[in-house]
Amino acid sequence: AQTVTQSQPEMSVQEAETVTLSCTYDTSESDYYLFWYKQPPSRQMILVIRQEAYKQQNATENRFSVNFQKAAKSFSLKISDSQLGDAAMYFCAYTRNFGNEKLTFGTGTRLTIIP
Amino acid sequence: EADIYQTPRYLVIGTGKKITLECSQTMGHDKMYWYQQDPGMELHLIHYSYGVNSTEKGDLSSESTVSRIRTEHFPLTLESARPSHTSQYLCASTAGGMVVNEQFFGPGTRLTVL
Repeated sequence: AQTVTQSQPEMSVQEAETVTLSCTYDTSESDYYLFWYKQPPSRQMILVIRQEAYKQQNATENRFSVNFQKAAKSFSLKISDSQLGDAAMYFCAYTRNFGNEKLTFGTGTRLTIIP
Repeated sequence: EADIYQTPRYLVIGTGKKITLECSQTMGHDKMYWYQQDPGMELHLIHYSYGVNSTEKGDLSSESTVSRIRTEHFPLTLESARPSHTSQYLCASTAGGMVVNEQFFGPGTRLTVL
């Protein structure tokens, strides 16, 4: 069974600084997808960034980027120039590439932005 | 925000009552999901559907049931609510096909059973 581990229950960062959230996963599959989802307080969960396992290049979306280490089964999220609106729970998630999109989530990291 | 809706947003109900949590999406997505999320915890898949008249149980055992009579609608029912059912329930949907697509989430229903 696939598992996703987020070892940092809480993180904080000064506004405008950079923070990295950690995620490791365990799978015997070679073809899969990894995601970071953001869940702001009392708001809908939204996708931040996704990574296809077959792509060696790390995904980037504006201030958000990942460090995908397939051999180490590590998938960290870097947030640059942190903003107050980045405060949220961040969930790492995994799915096999069989088109059913059943997501396995980590336990989440609560990110606080310090003004 | 995504075009996926859940009602009610909050529900407080007594033990033994029958409840239905509504989920609808206007994106024409074939695949829909129900997740259960306890406060500050990860999401656990309890039900999913790949299309009309298709429903499957998820990884987390749940006493709830679901139906998919219309593409846009995926309600979840608890025949007899118990305090152990107190949780947040999130509905999600994604487009069909062989490519893995993003899941869009609803705002959730926070259920409290007294």
